[in-house]
Amino acid sequence: SAVISQKPSRDICQRGTSLTIQCQVDSQVTMMFWYRQQPGQSLTLIATANQGSEATYESGFVIDKFPISRPNLTFSTLTVSNMSPEDSSIYLCSASGSFNYGYTFGSGTRLTVV
Amino acid sequence: GENVEQHPSTLSVQEGDSAVIKCTYSDSASNYFPWYKQELGKRPQLIIDIRSNVGEKKDQRIAVTLNKTAKHFSLHITETQPEDSAVYFCAASNMDSGYALNFGKGTSLLVTP
Repeated sequence: SAVISQKPSRDICQRGTSLTIQCQVDSQVTMMFWYRQQPGQSLTLIATANQGSEATYESGFVIDKFPISRPNLTFSTLTVSNMSPEDSSIYLCSASGSFNYGYTFGSGTRLTVV
Repeated sequence: GENVEQHPSTLSVQEGDSAVIKCTYSDSASNYFPWYKQELGKRPQLIIDIRSNVGEKKDQRIAVTLNKTAKHFSLHITETQPEDSAVYFCAASNMDSGYALNFGKGTSLLVTP
């Protein structure tokens, strides 16, 4: 299955600033996904990133707040913009390589906004 | 969209007992049902999955069953050990269409010695 490197692993940011999270996959994948996991909660899908097209956002998430790039089949970034303490969460990227290998996750980015 | 319900939210068993976690899904187009284990501070790790053309799958102490008609699937852990203590998430997706996983709310499993 695909291996995903995600960085940064954690960050503490001032409110009003932005943070860009990067995910690098060791093989070409069609779809990449970004999730948010608030403390003690399940994973909530933010958006689906398909190479060569605009990301598709889930209800409650907007492009201005969470812009996503997908420049090629192995890389994606998620930016958390104009951060507030409510954005403090773990952010995870995921990729689906093929039907035989399921979905794998990056190691996550633990974001604290102060 | 897909809605995945998971029960129970917490489960406490004694070491050696079995644990069962149940999930239901709403979208009949879903065809892939994985289970993830998440330990504190770590990423979710896939422990077992099942496709819609299979009714049951087993891997050592872990098994998953799927009832497509009733739209539910279950995780069974036998001979539980303290290291099985973690949060378990079920999920569902239409993987053929490249859709994302939709997760249940999770079950916190505690195995006491």
